[in-house]
Formats: sequence, structure tokens, C-alpha cells
Amino acid sequence: AQSVTQLDSHVSVSEGTPVLLRCNYSSSYSPSLFWYVQHPNKGLQLLLKYTSAATLVKGINGFEAEFKKSETSFHLTKPSAHMSDAAEYFCVVSEVWAAGNKLTFGGGTRVLVKP
Amino acid sequence: DTEVTQTPKHLVMGMTNKKSLKCEQHMGHRAMYWYKQKAKKPPELMFVYSYEKLSINESVPSRFSPECPNSSLLNLHLHALQPEDSALYLCASSQAQSNQPQHFGDGTRLSIL
Repeated sequence: AQSVTQLDSHVSVSEGTPVLLRCNYSSSYSPSLFWYVQHPNKGLQLLLKYTSAATLVKGINGFEAEFKKSETSFHLTKPSAHMSDAAEYFCVVSEVWAAGNKLTFGGGTRVLVKP
Repeated sequence: DTEVTQTPKHLVMGMTNKKSLKCEQHMGHRAMYWYKQKAKKPPELMFVYSYEKLSINESVPSRFSPECPNSSLLNLHLHALQPEDSALYLCASSQAQSNQPQHFGDGTRLSIL
């Protein structure tokens, strides 16, 4: 069985400072991992994905994540936070099914950006 | 702009009403999903359609009835809902049998009076 743990339920940063969102996963095989962002009253938008290629993954809006198999981690970072980064972030493990794929979500991290 | 379109954006209904949620995608995806999301929680999977056939029903009450009329459309028919069914309902699509990510719509905010 797969599981995802997001280590911080809330993160508060000042605009222009770095953002770090921590994610650990458990999977019985080589996983596919995603980060999604959800702004208020919106759906989930894909930030980036890891699917067994390069371990450092670059995404949209300046975000990147590093897959570390030895630490079973997939932490999300951004060098300089912007006010528009205030949102809920989900770390997700994907398992391929015959029907499609099944997503296992972390509990989410809410990011607050202070001016 | 999202590539998965959901209508309506908001819906208020009484417990005796019948209504439907609609979802449309034109990305050629053959897997489509319904999720329920309560406030401050991650989405919970309800149903999966693969090649227009219902593949997975995550023990959802029968007052929720999904339908996939064609490869681009997904409906969720609602009847006799309960107040605890108030939530954001999200539709998503993906390639079938693939580890490529799901694409989500903006959801329908449902309130049951």
C-alpha cells in the first residue's frame, strides 16, 4: 500500500524568501510522484511530476522538487515566494491501474505568504 | 483556463431535489474520475470510468449515480442527498493505463439545504 505524509500542515513565509514544503512517501515499487496546488475555490493544478527520469524536477512558476529514493522524500522548493503562491499544496503518489491511475494524497500544506 | 470544464460552478439543492453535475474534456483522455473534497481535506475518489465503462466505485451511496455518455463527457446524477454531502465535487481525466498525471476541473461547489 502507498502512503504520503506532508510534514507540515501550515507554512508561513515572507514574500521574497524561500519556500520549502516537505513530503515523504511509502511505496512498494518505483513511484510516480506529483505536486499539485489548489487556490481557493479552484481545482487542482499540476505543479510538477516525477516519473523515473531526472531526480531534480522543474515545474511551473519557479517551483522544483528533488526525488530522493534513499530518504523516500520528494520535497518542493521555490527560491523566492510570491503573494500568489498562497494556496494549498498536495504531494501525491500515483499507482497505475488497468482503469487509469490511482492517486494517494498527502494531507496538504497550506502556505501563507506575508508581505 | 483549465482543460477540464465542470458545470455548474455552484449548486444549492434541497434534500428531495434531483440535479446533475457535468464534466467535459477534449484531451482524448479515456479515464475520467469523480472526487469529493471537504473543506481543508484532500480529494477522495468516488468513481473511475475507463473507456466509458464504470471501473471503480469506492463504496459510494446510491444517491450518487455516475454516467459516461461518451469519451468526452462525464455526469454525476444526484438524488435525495444529505447535508453531509455538501462539498466541492471535482472531475479529472487522464490517459488510461498510464502514470501521467490527472487533469482536474475547477469543481462544483454543492450545498445541500
